[in-house]
Amino acid sequence: EIVLTQSPGTLSLSPGERATLSCRASQSVSSSYLVWYQQKPGQAPRLLIYAASSRATGIPDRFSGSGSGTDFTLTISRLDPEDFAVYYCQQYGSSPPTFGQGTKVEIK
Amino acid sequence: EVRLLESGGDLVQPGGSLRLSCAASGFSFSNHGMSWVRQSPGKGLEWVSSISSNGGLTYYADCVKGRFTTSRDNSKNTLYLQMNSLRAEDTAVYYCAKIAVIAQWYFDLWGRGTLVTVSS
Repeated sequence: EIVLTQSPGTLSLSPGERATLSCRASQSVSSSYLVWYQQKPGQAPRLLIYAASSRATGIPDRFSGSGSGTDFTLTISRLDPEDFAVYYCQQYGSSPPTFGQGTKVEIK
Repeated sequence: EVRLLESGGDLVQPGGSLRLSCAASGFSFSNHGMSWVRQSPGKGLEWVSSISSNGGLTYYADCVKGRFTTSRDNSKNTLYLQMNSLRAEDTAVYYCAKIAVIAQWYFDLWGRGTLVTVSS
């Protein structure tokens, strides 16, 4: 199965700053079938990005995804207070679907 | 409102059984594949099982194969997870999730989850 490694584990930033999150796969992700989710405490994950770079319905344009092959990035251009949360990547290009361990974006 | 609502989580002894339910509303349940995903502190998010829209096809993670069974009742807009021979490592919050696109297992709607604790 494909192992996804996210870095950094924790990102300490201030509102208005730019956040760059990385997701690296142990082997190439077929067709860039990679998504990003946001999860806040006590809540379910929320789909942000699918197919590596397409924003899900209702997601603000400050969220963007990029990458292909084994290296993917989620960028939040200007952090809003509501963006402080844990972010997970997931690949669905091969079975079983697998998740990264998450990156926590916290207020500095 | 589009939502998924899980229920049935509980404290159960090792070797015991439990059935989880997930009630769907606000979308055409019978047109979508569904999945179970669990989250534990030690292992993060982990895909458990998926089922096709008509229930004819089911898929399982190796760690639950032969112990868990996923089913659905489209007349009741409800997804089920029957869990048998439970182990301590099955302790987790279990989410049901809607598969966004047929044959592409990513999830565009999640429930709030239900907690399963396996302990003596």
